[in-house]
Amino acid sequence: DIQMTQSPSSLSASVGDRVTITCRASQNIRKYLNWYQQKPGKAPKLLIYAASSLQSGVPSRFSGSGSGTDFTLTISSLQPEDSAIYYCQQSYSTFRTFGQGTKVEIK
Amino acid sequence: EVQLVESGGGLVQPGGSLRLSCVASGFTFNNYDMHWVRQITGKGLEWVSGIGISGDTFYGGSVKGRFTISRENAKNSLYLQMNSLRAGDTAVYYCARVTWNSGSSFFDYWGQGTLVTVSS
Repeated sequence: DIQMTQSPSSLSASVGDRVTITCRASQNIRKYLNWYQQKPGKAPKLLIYAASSLQSGVPSRFSGSGSGTDFTLTISSLQPEDSAIYYCQQSYSTFRTFGQGTKVEIK
Repeated sequence: EVQLVESGGGLVQPGGSLRLSCVASGFTFNNYDMHWVRQITGKGLEWVSGIGISGDTFYGGSVKGRFTISRENAKNSLYLQMNSLRAGDTAVYYCARVTWNSGSSFFDYWGQGTLVTVSS
């Protein structure tokens, strides 16, 4: 299976800060990387697909980049409603795998 | 409006069986791959199983041989038959729709989840 490793596991930042989360795949997954946001008690929500494509309805402060094994999710100006856990997920393999998640808290 | 509604979760003893259902609405069900993803309370997401539009099936290593995914297009329904359940299978189970775009696939809609608890 393809292993996905996110860093950091958690972070705390202020409103308006630029936040970056990284995701590393154990092998080349080309552009087949998605990002999800999950709030407590809710199902995950798709933010970014194919590494850098913004899902319809998602605020433009969210962006994704990368290819191969290294990927980044960036929140350009952190908002209070962005407090959540963020997961990366590879779709290169039929056997989908997720990163362990990054918890984003607001200072 | 796309909706996915899971049901069938509950308390089951170790070694027991349970069948989860997911009823879809708001889209043409037979045109989409469908998957199950689970989440142990307070933990991360784990992909469980998927089924393609042609009925091809895929399983994660921890459930292969114990779980069976199926679909009934006439009823817009997805199922997960879970046998030989273990304590480690205790989790919220989500069904998720797969959309393909420019060769890339992703889970664009999720259900609200159904809780499965395996305990004596």
